[in-house]
Amino acid sequence: KQEVTQIPAALSVPEGENLVLNCSFTDSAIYNLQWFRQDPGKGLTSLLLIQSSQREQTSGRLNASLDKSSGRSTLYIAASQPGDSATYLCAVSEGDSGYSTLTFGKGTMLLVSP
Amino acid sequence: DAGITQSPRYKITETGRQVTLMCHQTWSHSYMFWYRQDLGHGLRLIYYSAAADITDKGEVPDGYVVSRSKTENFPLTLESATRSQTSVYFCASSPAGTSAVDTQYFGPGTRLTVL
Repeated sequence: KQEVTQIPAALSVPEGENLVLNCSFTDSAIYNLQWFRQDPGKGLTSLLLIQSSQREQTSGRLNASLDKSSGRSTLYIAASQPGDSATYLCAVSEGDSGYSTLTFGKGTMLLVSP
Repeated sequence: DAGITQSPRYKITETGRQVTLMCHQTWSHSYMFWYRQDLGHGLRLIYYSAAADITDKGEVPDGYVVSRSKTENFPLTLESATRSQTSVYFCASSPAGTSAVDTQYFGPGTRLTVL
């Protein structure tokens, strides 16, 4: 059974810092790995999707890397802002019989203070 | 562009009652999913559906029933609610099942409290 672990569970940083969120997974047979953002009381929004054949993806100040063989991914946030405060969830996509499902980590709660 | 909506957003019910949570998407996505989110457990898949009239169990299906008579709707029913089903429920949809590039699009969630 796939297990996804995120470290740290919570992180508090001052505005402007660069930071790294970590995600690890136990089964490397994945279609892709995704990073989501969840604001309090809201649903999830996809930030970055890294296909299993890719090493990284970038969107603005966000960069996500994937090392499938070691079962690890990192989300790098550059020059953090208070608006980045949210919970960040890592999820891996896997499956067979023609469709896939997502297995989520428990998330990293990020607080960026002004 | 309404996307994916859930209703109700908040629900309080009593143990033993039947509750139905609604999910509607306007994209005609083939795949739909129900998750529950609990402190300490993260998001866990309850049921998913590959198309109308095709559903399958996820990680935590006990106590839940789903149906999908129309592509755009995927209701989740708690036949006899228990306190352990107090949670936040998220519906999601995806255009295709297996793909390296597909993501899932999530609704805003329903916060259910069972007294």
